[in-house]
Amino acid sequence: DAKTTQPTSMDCAEGRAANLPCNHSTISGNEYVYWYRQIHSQGPQYIIHGLKNNETNEMASLIITEDRKSSTLILPHATLRDTAVYYCIVPTLGRLYFGRGTQLTVWP
Amino acid sequence: DAGITQSPRHKVTETGTPVTLRCHQTENHRYMYWYRQDPGHGLRLIHYSYGVKDTDKGEVSDGYSVSRSKTEDFLLTLESATSSQTSVYFCAINPGSGGGELFFGEGSRLTVL
Repeated sequence: DAKTTQPTSMDCAEGRAANLPCNHSTISGNEYVYWYRQIHSQGPQYIIHGLKNNETNEMASLIITEDRKSSTLILPHATLRDTAVYYCIVPTLGRLYFGRGTQLTVWP
Repeated sequence: DAGITQSPRHKVTETGTPVTLRCHQTENHRYMYWYRQDPGHGLRLIHYSYGVKDTDKGEVSDGYSVSRSKTEDFLLTLESATSSQTSVYFCAINPGSGGGELFFGEGSRLTVL
């Protein structure tokens, strides 16, 4: 079972920051938060993960609240190619269970 | 490119026939996974493997079996395909030691008539 809740859909203007929220209020102290995205018909793509500190890589930034009950994935300058379903996942016994994610639509 | 390929990429079959999907990796990673994806359900874990001949069930394993006789191949078998198994099947590998960073194949679209 997915341990996270995400909005069903969001949209964002091209060139603006996309901020995708995720709630994981039952997360335990040693559990990581992972983010994936899936562009239409393709396999999911790993984006980033974190434990309690904020993380940044070439794709995105991950902000985790101090109580770890929620996080936000930030795409700093969204492009049309970022239109996808974004999944926030807290693994269970090392296994990833995908919920329905957030459909992000980036419009011109 | 994570060195993962799935075959066949597309298959149409009839109810009651056996079907085997193959996932092949070139990196000798220990962990491999099979997921299915259906509209409205996201991805659901079918089976996974943590080594040669070591497999376990996921959340939707009924009607499926798997085998891993060598590190590079993870086979998913539908012994007697049903229409409810029409889906897109994704294989994934984990390059680490069981953490959450997976690399997915391109998917195999199966239609059971």
